[in-house]
Amino acid sequence: DAGITQSPRHKVTETGTPVTLRCHQTENHRYMYWYRQDPGHGLRLIHYSYGVKDTDKGEVSDGYSVSRSKTEDFLLTLESATSSQTSVYFCAISEAGAGYGYTFGSGTRLTVV
Amino acid sequence: AQTVTQSQPEMSVQEAETVTLSCTYDTSESDYYLFWYKQPPSRQMILVIRQEAYKQQNATENRFSVNFQKAAKSFSLKISDSQLGDAAMYFCAYSDMRFGAGTRLTVKP
Repeated sequence: DAGITQSPRHKVTETGTPVTLRCHQTENHRYMYWYRQDPGHGLRLIHYSYGVKDTDKGEVSDGYSVSRSKTEDFLLTLESATSSQTSVYFCAISEAGAGYGYTFGSGTRLTVV
Repeated sequence: AQTVTQSQPEMSVQEAETVTLSCTYDTSESDYYLFWYKQPPSRQMILVIRQEAYKQQNATENRFSVNFQKAAKSFSLKISDSQLGDAAMYFCAYSDMRFGAGTRLTVKP
């Protein structure tokens, strides 16, 4: 395995509550990404990181924040979860950037009720 | 902004036959990379094949090959000798971190 794990694998939460998803890698890759997957939309980029404390927004960043205090961990936080954030969330890593392809985690299925 | 379009939401193929999945993209860049990813029912995303735009030669990985038409901005995936294990969602992706909506491939025994 590529050494990327996401936690939790499944989560159900209530509207308005904060939620944090964790991505942990053991590959020492510089680049990390958070995507959400929804039917008909494929994968859409939420945020990405190109180094410790270096992050940037993606296509669908509203309502999400991220933090990367260590190379191995990239956290995605929903400050106040809404039903529109029900989705499958994928973390991905890349040694040299998106042009070289990703290794993905197994995904987190988040349901907001 | 670049867009990646997969015009076939669903495709099916008979086992041992060949199938081609289509992908087009929009870009103003001359150097870039293109990818196909496979997502089986397990949900795990797997990199299938990668193409560098400056290379004329189409990428090949065993039974998987691409037809890269740079001028037409087309990047199709051909699966030869289809197997039951090829049944999955297939996503086309561009190197600016953008993905297509996916094509669901069914393999009939």
